[in-house]
Amino acid sequence: SYELTQPPSVSVSPGQTATITCSGHGLGRKFVHWYRQEPGRSPVLIIYEDKKRPSGIPDRFSGSISGDTATLTISGTQTEDEADYYCQAWDSVNAEVFGGGTKMTVL
Amino acid sequence: QLQLQESGPGLVKPSETLSLICTVSGGPISSDISYWGWVRQSPGKGLEWIGSKFYNGNTYYNPSLKSRVTISVDTSKNQFSLRLTSLTAADTAIYYCARRLNVGHFDHWGQGTRVTVSS
Repeated sequence: SYELTQPPSVSVSPGQTATITCSGHGLGRKFVHWYRQEPGRSPVLIIYEDKKRPSGIPDRFSGSISGDTATLTISGTQTEDEADYYCQAWDSVNAEVFGGGTKMTVL
Repeated sequence: QLQLQESGPGLVKPSETLSLICTVSGGPISSDISYWGWVRQSPGKGLEWIGSKFYNGNTYYNPSLKSRVTISVDTSKNQFSLRLTSLTAADTAIYYCARRLNVGHFDHWGQGTRVTVSS
């Protein structure tokens, strides 16, 4: 089955830049989407189609993809950015696939 | 503003069938750009896609759940539903309904409903 691999956790200091990766076979040929989930809340779309931001999402959040690895970058990290982040892509066999999620800690 | 709201039982017994409804407001469920889907999250775990359905046809299910899942759409009520059979404790989770756009991302989510499978 198709898998998207994310690091389980990342830590960043306030004001610094955080990067979260998502890798999968052939990912460069798919669209990658990113979600943020705060504790006890529903997921929120923050990046779609690799690098587009929905309205209302600050430009501190950006996405990119190189080869089979997609990257979510959060610049000027704030304490309220502590959350779980998930990547998602469509696979023709397994349909929707989510990465395992990355817990970001700001300290 | 599109809104989705899940409803259903919070507690179901093992081997029984779970039925959840998602009520869509602020827009028609019979949209040519939308699929309607279910995603769940077991306690302390990540997101797991269950399935998605276009209002008048195509349906896609997670291969690992396909034998137990049915998603239906009721355009007259602007609702879609999830039916999951043969429940076990492993089905205990928060169940979210969400809209998936044709291009692939889930742009609107419900608040989630917690389901516990226990006797």
